[in-house]
Amino acid sequence: GAVVSQHPSWVICKSGTSVKIECRSLDFQATTMFWYRQFPKQSLMLMATSNEGSKATYEQGVEKDKFLINHASLTLSTLTVTSAHPEDSSFYICSAAFGGPGTINEQFFGPGTRLTVL
Amino acid sequence: AQTVTQSQPEMSVQEAETVTLSCTYDTSENNYYLFWYKQPPSRQMILVIRQEAYKQQNATENRFSVNFQKAAKSFSLKISDSQLGDTAMYFCAFMKHGGYRTDNDMRFGAGTRLTVKP
Repeated sequence: GAVVSQHPSWVICKSGTSVKIECRSLDFQATTMFWYRQFPKQSLMLMATSNEGSKATYEQGVEKDKFLINHASLTLSTLTVTSAHPEDSSFYICSAAFGGPGTINEQFFGPGTRLTVL
Repeated sequence: AQTVTQSQPEMSVQEAETVTLSCTYDTSENNYYLFWYKQPPSRQMILVIRQEAYKQQNATENRFSVNFQKAAKSFSLKISDSQLGDTAMYFCAFMKHGGYRTDNDMRFGAGTRLTVKP
């Protein structure tokens, strides 16, 4: 099956610093990537959708200047949490999908990144 | 907007027994996909089963099967011969059908924590 990796798997940073999380599709070209956030014992909440070469589409309530998403190639998307604060501590999960119009029928999930902001 | 409801926050079942997890959803779309994902303690999202709305036949994957009632917007998961390794969070998810679209994201229910007891 399609494999998606995330790096790092766990990161601790100081408040006010920026953190970059990478999401890679290892064996397929991802036309679309999604970023989710999951707080402890809660469900996945979509943050943004990114298509290769286009600006990301953010969900309502997600600050685009705080959570910078770059989908520079068909195999890599990055999420940068700028000026991180303790309330940004969470589990961040990316997923990737491929296919042309009418063919996307599944998303493949990365293993997630645990962010802890001190 | 699509909403997914899982009304059972926690469930337990004896090993080798059968358990059913419920899921309902709300949408005005006619063509879409429904999924059940398993999230073990590692937090990696694992696809359990997928159903395409235009298919009347219920999907099955070994010990996992669904009861898809399109008119009632219900999508329950039945796990037969439960095993200890089935212990996990289970999320029901909805995704619109389509290719290049910015709203091709996945919407998740709140999850059901399943515990299989020896």
